[in-house]
Amino acid sequence: SQQGEEDPQALSIQEGENATMNCSYKTSINNLQWYRQNSGRGLVHLILIRSNEREKHSGRLRVTLDTSKKSSSLLITASRAADTASYFCATDAYNFNKFYFGSGTKLNVKP
Amino acid sequence: NAGVMQNPRHLVRRRGQEARLRCSPMKGHSHVYWYRQLPEEGLKFMVYLQKENIIDESGMPKERFSAEFPKEGPSILRIQQVVRGDSAAYFCASSPGREDEDEQFFGPGTRLTVL
Repeated sequence: SQQGEEDPQALSIQEGENATMNCSYKTSINNLQWYRQNSGRGLVHLILIRSNEREKHSGRLRVTLDTSKKSSSLLITASRAADTASYFCATDAYNFNKFYFGSGTKLNVKP
Repeated sequence: NAGVMQNPRHLVRRRGQEARLRCSPMKGHSHVYWYRQLPEEGLKFMVYLQKENIIDESGMPKERFSAEFPKEGPSILRIQQVVRGDSAAYFCASSPGREDEDEQFFGPGTRLTVL
């Protein structure tokens, strides 16, 4: 299975702290994407990292990709209560367009 | 540029009825994907379509489910004779279909409840 799996399943931190979520996958990929989903809402695309990239930044987000370990991490710095959501990583099979999602990490940022 | 549109946002059906879910991709996007999200779970790929073609339906249940993306109009995900287990959020995504632009943009989803 290509499925990405996020770790931890749930994370609770105080506002201002950093949050780190990890994603592992099983086979070769073309790219990996991180999405956020607020409770009962749709998905918001956060960041895409390609298989030939090792690190990407977007605002308070930092994503790393280690293809040798088949893993990625999402770091949210200086977290805010508004960051409370579920975070999913999605991987695509090389040369295919469908994404495989993990079950997500539920992040709770306490004010 | 409007994003991916899905309607209805909420749909309630009784067992045995049909459910039709619509998805209008972003302007300029020719590829559409349908995903299903069961409560407390991640999204599961169902089907990938281009205009008038089903490219990959490996995630679609073999019975009762069908999808189309006609030359004109939205993509339709159709579920016949719904059962309680079909209750889920169904998300549509679209992409431009160009090799260097494979990011998928998601719609707000349709929440199907089967009574």
